[in-house]
Amino acid sequence: QKEVEQNSGPLSVPEGAIASLNCTYSDRVSQSFFWYRQYSGKSPELIMSIYSNGDKEDGRFTAQLNKASQYVSLLIRDSQPSDSATYLCAVIYNNDMRFGAGTRLTVKP
Amino acid sequence: DGGITQSPKYLFRKEGQNVTLSCEQNLNHDAMYWYRQDPGQGLRLIYYSQIVNDFQKGDIAEGYSVSREKKESFPLTVTSAQKNPTAFYLCASSQDSGTAYNEQFFGPGTRLTVL
Repeated sequence: QKEVEQNSGPLSVPEGAIASLNCTYSDRVSQSFFWYRQYSGKSPELIMSIYSNGDKEDGRFTAQLNKASQYVSLLIRDSQPSDSATYLCAVIYNNDMRFGAGTRLTVKP
Repeated sequence: DGGITQSPKYLFRKEGQNVTLSCEQNLNHDAMYWYRQDPGQGLRLIYYSQIVNDFQKGDIAEGYSVSREKKESFPLTVTSAQKNPTAFYLCASSQDSGTAYNEQFFGPGTRLTVL
């Protein structure tokens, strides 16, 4: 069983819509969760971190964490073509960061 | 201007050759990491270091070696023992790997190709 799972996509949404990206993890004791954005050919860029249950908002981005369901999501409101990228979910297990394979998002003008 | 630098951006290796990838950070971070990324896969940890002169193997350390002689620098050597080294190599750093609240920040990466 993979430690961090994401739907590989591609996920396609029209410009202005809400994009919803999902991630599940296998270790119940995980405490820290991160979303990275990776443009094609570039390195990952940290866009959100979340540590407690509930929602955390930062601009157009909202991270949602549900530890009971072992589920973390990222919502992107008012999606723009510049949001087209691969989004990596990362989870810390015993001080080691584990990454999902990423979900490729395409925002169509 | 703080950040993480990696060089070279592109590297070509011949069969049987060792090559060294550079990683430098001026963020005053204690911990540094090397990851490998293959198409369609997540990042896999090669080595990490929490303090100078100490480092630990990650999930896929075979065929790689590292050193941490200075806090700012964490070079990775890809040896001839690594049979499939073609990949995108990413260096990262974090303030302190000893806590669960451990945001990692990445350098721009080195793309290694075996000829």
